[in-house]
Amino acid sequence: RKEVEQDPGPFNVPEGATVAFNCTYSNSASQSFFWYRQDCRKEPKLLMSVYSSGNEDGRFTAQLNRASQYISLLIRDSKLSDSATYLCVVITGGFKTIFGAGTRLFVKA
Amino acid sequence: DTEVTQTPKHLVMGMTNKKSLKCEQHMGHRAMYWYKQKAKKPPELMFVYSYEKLSINESVPSRFSPECPNSSLLNLHLHALQPEDSALYLCASSHPPTTGVNEKLFFGSGTQLSVL
Repeated sequence: RKEVEQDPGPFNVPEGATVAFNCTYSNSASQSFFWYRQDCRKEPKLLMSVYSSGNEDGRFTAQLNRASQYISLLIRDSKLSDSATYLCVVITGGFKTIFGAGTRLFVKA
Repeated sequence: DTEVTQTPKHLVMGMTNKKSLKCEQHMGHRAMYWYKQKAKKPPELMFVYSYEKLSINESVPSRFSPECPNSSLLNLHLHALQPEDSALYLCASSHPPTTGVNEKLFFGSGTQLSVL
């Protein structure tokens, strides 16, 4: 079993749709969780940190469920510019940073 | 300044060449990382430096040689690479982990390397 698993997609959604991604992790000692966004041939950029209490930034909402060992990302009112690969990142002790395989999102007009 | 700067942006080299990738940050981060990313795959950790000392080497072949001259700079020296080493090489930095807290990574824009 992979340490961090994501549905690779692709997710094809129309503009204005709501889309949700999940990511599961296997190490219960994992400490920090993030969602990164990566555009084609560009570097990953931090989208948001993920906390048990949940956090929201505009159209984006992230949630951590420690009991079930998954994190989620919800995007509301999708824009064309949201098309990208979304990477789930889990940090387990020290510098051990594990990336999920990424979920590809295509938003179409 | 929240930038991690990498040079060059693109590099083409032969299998007998020696080249170096450079990375610089001025955010006061004391942890710096090299990642390798192949197309349609997630970044794979290669090396981590913490307080200018090598903390992690993820069993990377010796043809890749990292160097951290000071707290702002990170180099990756390349020698006798193979075509399968062609990839995007990403540098990242962060504050080192403190007890129970890990800090987020900031990435440079990467060096797209092609080995012929």
